[in-house]
Amino acid sequence: GENVEQHPSTLSVQEGDSAVIKCTYSDSASNYFPWYKQELGKRPQLIIDIRSNVGEKKDQRIAVTLNKTAKHFSLHITETQPEDSAVYFCAASHNYGQNFVFGPGTRLSVLP
Amino acid sequence: NAGVTQTPKFRILKIGQSMTLQCAQDMNHNYMYWYRQDPGMGLKLIYYSVGAGITDKGEVPNGYNVSRSTTEDFPLRLELAAPSQTSVYFCASTETSAAIYEQYFGPGTRLTVT
Repeated sequence: GENVEQHPSTLSVQEGDSAVIKCTYSDSASNYFPWYKQELGKRPQLIIDIRSNVGEKKDQRIAVTLNKTAKHFSLHITETQPEDSAVYFCAASHNYGQNFVFGPGTRLSVLP
Repeated sequence: NAGVTQTPKFRILKIGQSMTLQCAQDMNHNYMYWYRQDPGMGLKLIYYSVGAGITDKGEVPNGYNVSRSTTEDFPLRLELAAPSQTSVYFCASTETSAAIYEQYFGPGTRLTVT
């Protein structure tokens, strides 16, 4: 079955710096890759996603890149702000929404 | 819209007891999911459903059962609860017909088995 790895497990950056989180997946049949943000005690919320037919997607300060050949995708956050502090999860899915497998998460701390 | 709702919010079970976690969505989403999240860990898919009457196993289905008799409801049944099932349980839903695959999560049920 699918296996999703995520690095680093914790990340601290200064406010205004960039943060990058990387995920790798094992199943070449996966075709949908979302990123979720989870604040302490809250439910996960989608921040950006990418499909296998796209190499890069951007939404304001957040971008995701996908390398299908290498089977990895990355989340890039620029100009980080204290409210970006949270746990971020990547995931991979077959058939656009079936059988999601999540990575273990990255705890991002943005230091003022 | 209420979105995805889950009941109860908290529950303490004794070992060997059974219970049903309720999940409902009012967005007419076709796909629904159950996840568990252990402390400090990621989400593990227990079961999912692509429509009423259709369910399939995820990564960690042992010890759980589901049914989907309507589009709106997707209850999760725990039989013979064990301490290893102590976790936060999230239900989620997605509408795939519009090619938008965002999962909307419920607020979660915190379950402790002692």
